[in-house]
Amino acid sequence: SQTIHQWPATLVQPVGSPLSLECTVEGTSNPNLYWYRQAAGRGLQLLFYSVGIGQISSEVPQNLSASRPQDRQFILSSKKLLLSDSGFYLCAWEAPQGAFFGQGTRLTVV
Amino acid sequence: TQLLEQSPQFLSIQEGENLTVYCNSSSVFSSLQWYRQEPGEGPVLLVTVVTGGEVKKLKRLTFQFGDARKDSSLHITAAQPGDTGLYLCAGAVGNQFYFGTGTSLTVIP
Repeated sequence: SQTIHQWPATLVQPVGSPLSLECTVEGTSNPNLYWYRQAAGRGLQLLFYSVGIGQISSEVPQNLSASRPQDRQFILSSKKLLLSDSGFYLCAWEAPQGAFFGQGTRLTVV
Repeated sequence: TQLLEQSPQFLSIQEGENLTVYCNSSSVFSSLQWYRQEPGEGPVLLVTVVTGGEVKKLKRLTFQFGDARKDSSLHITAAQPGDTGLYLCAGAVGNQFYFGTGTSLTVIP
């Protein structure tokens, strides 16, 4: 069966520090992968999606970047975090019936 | 740009009551999904509807896709405290899923 792993679950980082969130998928090949950000109790904002290794599409201009170094690995990064980068980040992969999500990462920038 | 608007944004009801959540858009989607999310966790897929006018039932939950594939509704019969959570609709356009604004449901015992 397919599973998706995302870590860490929580992260507290100072302003100006770098960021790296990792997401891996098991049990499927060449998945479409997504990074979303969610404000408290609200819908999800699509940040990046990838249809294959090295292929990244960005939905909104921002302080973040994404990379897909391997087929089942998707990484969200920043060189210098801003206070406004705080939020709940979710990785997802696309199955024919819908999206399946990781556990999420609660990022607090202080 | 928010493609999908959900209403109501917040809903607090007593156990045993019925409720309907709406998901509306001016865009046409190839499919539409509904998710439920618990605090601190990722959304969990409940159902996918594909055909205009399609109705799917999942125990006490009834999902309907609009005839024009632009909107959807979720109806819960005899709500229970375990139904509490954030309900999200999402529409598929090509390779992308666009999520609605969310409906936070609280069912009071």
